[in-house]
Amino acid sequence: RKEVEQDPGPFNVPEGATVAFNCTYSNSASQSFFWYRQDCRKEPKLLMSVYSSGNEDGRFTAQLNRASQYISLLIRDSKLSDSATYLCVVREGKLIFGQGTTLQVKP
Amino acid sequence: DAGITQSPRHKVTETGTPVTLRCHQTENHRYMYWYRQDPGHGLRLIHYSYGVKDTDKGEVSDGYSVSRSKTEDFLLTLESATSSQTSVYFCAISERTGGYEQYFGPGTRLTVT
Repeated sequence: RKEVEQDPGPFNVPEGATVAFNCTYSNSASQSFFWYRQDCRKEPKLLMSVYSSGNEDGRFTAQLNRASQYISLLIRDSKLSDSATYLCVVREGKLIFGQGTTLQVKP
Repeated sequence: DAGITQSPRHKVTETGTPVTLRCHQTENHRYMYWYRQDPGHGLRLIHYSYGVKDTDKGEVSDGYSVSRSKTEDFLLTLESATSSQTSVYFCAISERTGGYEQYFGPGTRLTVT
């Protein structure tokens, strides 16, 4: 079983749609959680950290469920510029990266 | 954007040749990392450094070595390149240990023929 699992997608959604990604992790002792964004053929960049109480940054909302060991990312009012691969990342001493979920927002 | 550069950005080499990739940072961050990214896998840690001359292995370190003689430079060497090492290699830096927020370089696309 992979340490961090994501549905690779792709998720194809129209502009303005709301889309949600989930990620599960295997180590209950994981310490911190993040979502990174990676554009095609570019480097990953931190999108947001994920806090136990949940957190929001504009159109993006991240949630953590420690009991079920999953993390979610919700994107509201999708824009064309949101098209990218979203990496779920878990910290267990070092960072463990999921393989990513690809989002394609269509006009 | 964090000041991280990688060189070369693209390289094609033959099986059995040694290859060195360079990561250079201007942020004075203590921690530096080398990852590889392949389809179907997340980013996988090859080696990391927690200071000048202080390095340690990651999960996929076989066939790779690293050196860090200055804070700003972290070198990754493929001792004898194999086709399985064809990949995109990313360098990353962070201020704190344990892999808190990491900033990535632009990547090096390496093809081993």
